[in-house]
Amino acid sequence: EPEVTQTPSHQVTQMGQEVILRCVPISNHLYFYWYRQILGQKVEFLVSFYNNEISEKSEIFDDQFSVERPDGSNFTLKIRSTKLEDSAMYFCASRGTLAYEQYFGPGTRLTVT
Amino acid sequence: AQSVAQPEDQVNVAEGNPLTVKCTYSVSGNPYLFWYVQYPNRGLQFLLKYITGDNLVKGSYGFEAEFNKSQTSFHLKKPSALVSDSALYFCAVRDLTDNDMRFGAGTRLTVKP
Repeated sequence: EPEVTQTPSHQVTQMGQEVILRCVPISNHLYFYWYRQILGQKVEFLVSFYNNEISEKSEIFDDQFSVERPDGSNFTLKIRSTKLEDSAMYFCASRGTLAYEQYFGPGTRLTVT
Repeated sequence: AQSVAQPEDQVNVAEGNPLTVKCTYSVSGNPYLFWYVQYPNRGLQFLLKYITGDNLVKGSYGFEAEFNKSQTSFHLKKPSALVSDSALYFCAVRDLTDNDMRFGAGTRLTVKP
C-alpha cells in the first residue's frame, strides 16, 4: 500500500540554524500539507499546498517557514532560523484529488537546542 | 472557521466493554468529519470519515462513528474494546470550502485487561 514517507526521522539543530524537512507524498496525490504536534498534544495545521502554490496557511506559518515542491516527488518544509519553540513533531500529509481524507507520514521529530 | 472539541482528555475502559470517544464540531456549512488514531511514536492513521449519507459510518479495526447534525457531534464507538486499541484518538473537521483540516486536542484511550 502506498504511503507518505518523511526524512529524517529525527533532526537535532541549534537555535538560529536553518532546517529542511523532507516528505515524499503518495505518488498520485496533488494536495500536500504540513502539520506539527508538540509533545503528543494537539495536531496543528501549518500549511496546505496545491498546484505549486500555498492554498492556505495558519498563523503559525510565519515568514520563518516556507514550503517547496522542488521536483515531482518531494515536498519540503524549511524553517529559516529555528527557535526553541519550534521543537515538535512535524507531519507531512497528502490527499488524492477525489479523496477527502489525508494520509500522514510517520513524522520528523525536530529538536532545537 | 471550523473547529473541533474533544471534551475528554482520557477515556478508560475495560477490555470487552463498549467504548465511546466524544467529538463535537463547529463549521459554517456541511462538515466533512474524520477520526484518526495515533500509536506511540507513530504518525496519524486514518480510521473513518463522514462525508454524506448514512449517519453511521464504519471504519477500520471495528470502529464506527455516528454523525448527529442536531447535536453537531461525531462520536467514535466500538462495541468491544481491545487492549490494542489503547492509543491517542483525534477527531478532525473540514468544511466544503477549506482545503485544510482542524484537529481536536485528542483523547487518550486506555483499555485495561
